[in-house]
Amino acid sequence: EDKVVQSPLSLVVHEGDTVTLNCSYEVTNFRSLLWYKQEKKAPTFLFMLTSSGIEKKSGRLSSILDKKELFSILNITATQTGDSAVYLCAVGLSYNTDKLIFGTGTRLQVFP
Amino acid sequence: DAGITQSPRHKVTETGTPVTLRCHQTENHRYMYWYRQDPGHGLRLIHYSYGVKDTDKGEVSDGYSVSRSKTEDFLLTLESATSSQTSVYFCAISESKGNQPQHFGDGTRLSIL
Repeated sequence: EDKVVQSPLSLVVHEGDTVTLNCSYEVTNFRSLLWYKQEKKAPTFLFMLTSSGIEKKSGRLSSILDKKELFSILNITATQTGDSAVYLCAVGLSYNTDKLIFGTGTRLQVFP
Repeated sequence: DAGITQSPRHKVTETGTPVTLRCHQTENHRYMYWYRQDPGHGLRLIHYSYGVKDTDKGEVSDGYSVSRSKTEDFLLTLESATSSQTSVYFCAISESKGNQPQHFGDGTRLSIL
């Protein structure tokens, strides 16, 4: 059975801290790994990774994929209260299906 | 933001009644998806569409049907709603299969009493 596991389930930090969110997966026919940020409504797209060892970066957020060890991390540096959200990891399966398997998310709370 | 509108945004109904949720997109994307989100389960795919009149089942399709008569509209129908279908429903769209991320609408919160 395909599965995606995120850890920790929740995280509470103070502004300025650096956090690392983890996503491990066991799927057949891996194609890609995606990170989303979900505040109160729609999950919003952050990164899509397909190649191992190549870091994707956007401002204070960065992510890297390890296809050998089957995991990805999402780093957020100098956290701000606006980073408070649930972060979702999803794995895209083979090119024939275009299906995404989601983890249950990591809830991040950043306090001033 | 991707041009995705879900309606209604909230709905409360009774067990046994039919319910239809609508997803409307202005991006002219070929691929559209319906997910449900429940605590402890994450987002799970119900049905998806890869073109007008072309649909397929996801992992939790029992009790749901879909229709896509126009590129911009994807309808999700609960023929006879049950309390287990109380959930938040998200529509997503994608420009191409596999190479582009899916983008999500704001969701419909459905409560079945």
